[in-house]
Amino acid sequence: GENVEQHPSTLSVQEGDSAVIKCTYSDSASNYFPWYKQELGKRPQLIIDIRSNVGEKKDQRIAVTLNKTAKHFSLHITETQPEDSAVYFCAALSPGYSTLTFGKGTMLLVSP
Amino acid sequence: GAVVSQHPSWVICKSGTSVKIECRSLDFQATTMFWYRQFPKQSLMLMATSNEGSKATYEQGVEKDKFLINHASLTLSTLTVTSAHPEDSSFYICSAFSGSHTGELFFGEGSRLTVL
Repeated sequence: GENVEQHPSTLSVQEGDSAVIKCTYSDSASNYFPWYKQELGKRPQLIIDIRSNVGEKKDQRIAVTLNKTAKHFSLHITETQPEDSAVYFCAALSPGYSTLTFGKGTMLLVSP
Repeated sequence: GAVVSQHPSWVICKSGTSVKIECRSLDFQATTMFWYRQFPKQSLMLMATSNEGSKATYEQGVEKDKFLINHASLTLSTLTVTSAHPEDSSFYICSAFSGSHTGELFFGEGSRLTVL
């Protein structure tokens, strides 16, 4: 089945710095890659996603890049703010499976 | 966007009792819903896929007699933790793809179960 690896597990940055979280996936047929933000005790919220026919997508301070050849995708957050502090999960959707496979998560801490 | 609602948000029960958690799709029909379990500081682990009108599909290592899933309608799936024990204490979250299946997975609010 699909296997998603996510790094780093924790990431601490200063307010205003950029943060990058990287994920790799194993199934070359996977075609949808969402990123979720989860605050403590709350449900995961979709923040951005990318499909396999696109190499990059940007939404204000958040961007995602996809390298299908290398089978990895990354989340980029610029001008980080304390409210960006949360756990971020990457995921991949393989056509052969009914649901998403999640990475282990990255705890992002943005210090004022 | 699509809304998935989960109830209850918090539940505390005694060891040996059963607890039912409901998951509803509020503005779309979901033939398939998913139940995840999340331990503190860990990722979302898929427990089972709930299929409307048929038996749920359980992931390896998940006891189907322990975690009973019923998907009686296109908008409701329930997870019953039977004979709960302290090790069953966890955060349970349901989810569903929207009817248009854009690929976006919508999550319920989650249910935190504490078994004393």
